[in-house]
Amino acid sequence: GAGVSQSPSNKVTEKGKDVELRCDPISGHTALYWYRQSLGQGLEFLIYFQGNSAPDKSGLPSDRFSAERTGGSVSTLTIQRTQQEDSAVYLCASSLEGGVTEAFFGQGTRLTVV
Amino acid sequence: AQSVTQLGSHVSVSEGALVLLRCNYSSSVPPYLFWYVQYPNQGLQLLLKYTTGATLVKGINGFEAEFKKSETSFHLTKPSAHMSDAAEYFCAVSASGYSTLTFGKGTMLLVSP
Repeated sequence: GAGVSQSPSNKVTEKGKDVELRCDPISGHTALYWYRQSLGQGLEFLIYFQGNSAPDKSGLPSDRFSAERTGGSVSTLTIQRTQQEDSAVYLCASSLEGGVTEAFFGQGTRLTVV
Repeated sequence: AQSVTQLGSHVSVSEGALVLLRCNYSSSVPPYLFWYVQYPNQGLQLLLKYTTGATLVKGINGFEAEFKKSETSFHLTKPSAHMSDAAEYFCAVSASGYSTLTFGKGTMLLVSP
């Protein structure tokens, strides 16, 4: 597609349930980033994939969060046993060959945990 | 490690007035600096970036920013605000072109007629 696509755009889930958020990067982009945007917290880095290298997971807030990237393209962010503090907008970005200077962001998935 | 401070969570200007959004950074290495804009229910859009070279950077929609190393600042300006500029603006820093972005908490720009 023309841009970074994220689905779903909105997700409401019950506390304790698992959720999966999907990101389709721009075709040919080898780098993919996940960020979380919370009220009052700004944008927090979660995880970074670059090609076939091991992902940089240093931003994941707990072991309930995980992400994978299949075939170097689509990525899925999984949150297990969701908590109310997980409510946020989850943003995905991609760039060519890891160049953060040319990162393009998707519109995000708004997650609400009730 | 890098960090970004944006002074003022909200800035209000009148249409036609100067826009000044402040950003100060901390970085142990020469930084790459960015400004992004986020309209309601939208993702982030890159306004402009500084990597190397000229310290005055021009971006889209008439915005510009100046990298001042001595002040560790990268303030965003626009000579004349338009109603369409109302949005949230994020300053970000990166240690290189190949590392992650660290964002400030954002500044909401309000433009009144």
